[in-house]
Amino acid sequence: AQSVTQPDIHITVSEGASLELRCNYSYGATPYLFWYVQSPGQGLQLLLKYFSGDTLVQGIKGFEAEFKRSQSSFNLRKPSVHWSDAAEYFCAVGAKAAGNKLTFGGGTRVLVKP
Amino acid sequence: DGGITQSPKYLFRKEGQNVTLSCEQNLNHDAMYWYRQDPGQGLRLIYYSQIVNDFQKGDIAEGYSVSREKKESFPLTVTSAQKNPTAFYLCASTPRAGGNLEQFFGPGTRLTVL
Repeated sequence: AQSVTQPDIHITVSEGASLELRCNYSYGATPYLFWYVQSPGQGLQLLLKYFSGDTLVQGIKGFEAEFKRSQSSFNLRKPSVHWSDAAEYFCAVGAKAAGNKLTFGGGTRVLVKP
Repeated sequence: DGGITQSPKYLFRKEGQNVTLSCEQNLNHDAMYWYRQDPGQGLRLIYYSQIVNDFQKGDIAEGYSVSREKKESFPLTVTSAQKNPTAFYLCASTPRAGGNLEQFFGPGTRLTVL
């Protein structure tokens, strides 16, 4: 069965500083990987996705993520954080062999200090 | 505008009552999903449907029921058998089973049991 771990429950970062959110997954074959963002009381918005090709993926709002098969990781990065990036971030893994379902990590809440 | 709508945004229920949450999409998507979100636990899959008149249990289906009579609608009923129903419920859809698995989310319904 597929699984996702986001080791950091909370991260606090200063505005303008860089941000990296960790995501480790467990799945035997090449997974479909996603990062979503959620503002309080809202639905989830897709930031970026990976399923093949270049392992460095660019997304919306200046975010990028790198797929590292050897480390089973798909970490999310942003070079310079804005106050509007304060939100909860979810990593998800999917597989067609698993009934086209997504499995989500527990999320990382990002707080941005002025 | 195409999208997913969930209603109501807030719902209050007395213990022992059944309640139905609405999810409608006009994206012409084949597959639809219901998730439950609790603080610190990410999203957990309740039920999903890949085609009209068919649905499957997810990881936490006990105490819930669904129907998929129309492609655009996937209502979720929270029954009195669900022991701890207070949570944030999210509906999602994906264009077709076997695609790139990207899911599109509605804005959510917050259910509170009084």
